[in-house]
Amino acid sequence: AQSVAQPEDQVNVAEGNPLTVKCTYSVSGNPYLFWYVQYPNRGLQFLLKYITGDNLVKGSYGFEAEFNKSQTSFHLKKPSALVSDSALYFCAVRDHREGTGTASKLTFGTGTRLQVTL
Amino acid sequence: DTEVTQTPKHLVMGMTNKKSLKCEQHMGHRAMYWYKQKAKKPPELMFVYSYEKLSINESVPSRFSPECPNSSLLNLHLHALQPEDSALYLCASSQGKWRGVLRTGELFFGEGSRLTVL
Repeated sequence: AQSVAQPEDQVNVAEGNPLTVKCTYSVSGNPYLFWYVQYPNRGLQFLLKYITGDNLVKGSYGFEAEFNKSQTSFHLKKPSALVSDSALYFCAVRDHREGTGTASKLTFGTGTRLQVTL
Repeated sequence: DTEVTQTPKHLVMGMTNKKSLKCEQHMGHRAMYWYKQKAKKPPELMFVYSYEKLSINESVPSRFSPECPNSSLLNLHLHALQPEDSALYLCASSQGKWRGVLRTGELFFGEGSRLTVL
C-alpha cells in the first residue's frame, strides 16, 4: 500500500519570501513522487516529479522539490513566492511497481492551500 | 493550457436524466483515467483504461459507465445519478509504455467537467 501525508491544510507566506509545502510518503518499493497545482475550478497541473537521480528536482514556475529518502519526504519549495502562486497543491506518490503495467495508480495527499499575500 | 480536453465544462442534470462526459487527448498516451473530485478534497480514482481496455474500476456504482471508443477518446456515461454525485470530474492521460518500458507515469489532467445533480 502507498500513502501520502500533507500535514498542513494551509500555508501562509508573504510575497517575496521563500515557501515550503510539506509532503511525506510511504511506499513499499521505490517511490515515484509528483507535485501538482490546482487553481480554483481548474484541473490539476503537473509541476515536477522525482523518479531517480538528483535529490533536488526543478520544475515549472520556479518551483523545486527536495527528495529525502531517510525522512521519506518530498517538500515543495520556491525561493520567492508570488501572489499568483496562491492555489491548492497536491503531492502524489506511486510505487514504481504499482499500476497495471501501463497505467499509473497515483495516491494523492489531501492537499495544502497556499496563500501568498502582499 | 492543457492538452486534455473535456466537454462540457458544466453540466446540470436531474436524477432521471442520461448524459455523458467526454474527454479527448492527442498526445499519443495509451492510458486514460477518470477521477472524481469534491470541493477541497484530493481527486479520487474511478476508472483506468489501458490500451483501450478497462484495467481498473475502483468499485464505482453502475450508474457511472465508462467507455473508451479509441485511444484518444474517453467517455463517462451518467444515468440515474444522485445529488451526492455532484462534483468535478477530471479526465487524465499518461504515456503508458514506450518500447516495452513503463514510463514514469505523470498524469496530464483536463480542466474538468463540473457536474451538478438536482
